[in-house]
Amino acid sequence: DAGVIQSPRHEVTEMGQEVTLRCKPISGHDYLFWYRQTMMRGLELLIYFNNNVPIDDSGMPEDRFSAKMPNASFSTLKIQPSEPRDSAVYFCASSPDSYQPQHFGDGTRLSIL
Amino acid sequence: DAKTTQPPSMDCAEGRAANLPCNHSTISGNEYVYWYRQIHSQGPQYIIHGLKNNETNEMASLIITEDRKSSTLILPHATLRDTAVYYCIVKSSGSARQLTFGSGTQLTVLP
Repeated sequence: DAGVIQSPRHEVTEMGQEVTLRCKPISGHDYLFWYRQTMMRGLELLIYFNNNVPIDDSGMPEDRFSAKMPNASFSTLKIQPSEPRDSAVYFCASSPDSYQPQHFGDGTRLSIL
Repeated sequence: DAKTTQPPSMDCAEGRAANLPCNHSTISGNEYVYWYRQIHSQGPQYIIHGLKNNETNEMASLIITEDRKSSTLILPHATLRDTAVYYCIVKSSGSARQLTFGSGTQLTVLP
């Protein structure tokens, strides 16, 4: 079975540019999570969706970050404008329901110059 | 969710059992213990979880003490590919809240 698929795997862009990260959850999973990992802060949740509806976005650092889930098989995390401090690895995870474990993608390594 | 305490690092000889401890003294009755690991440059990988009974799957065994204040993840025959950061997380199973990852234990399997 295909796992959580994220694209791109690596992204390097200049400060001020718009960045869009993409995620395809495992089919049939109703929950989708976006995490960010840095050396300083470790893994932290940004936002999660249930049945395509954002439930908790309290981890989104600021208005420059936005996330959407237009359908059950696709989600985006957008940063506009990007800043060097946004450099991190961004992970997407999904789970069938609130009882089952989350399954993670391999992440997008983002570098903002 | 209860906080967890893990040693920052451990070594294990290849082929031997790796026993990774975790303290969660403030765990409440409806909270499960989850274990994930993260191999370098990959996303966290679910290993196992349990409430109070010992659990075993194809990857590992989870031993939870009777008072549930601590647990041990056992990799029965560690291989070099088991070198990773292992995270012990306590969470209410019925809650959709996020997993709170601490610092974990860096397990290094030595040849």
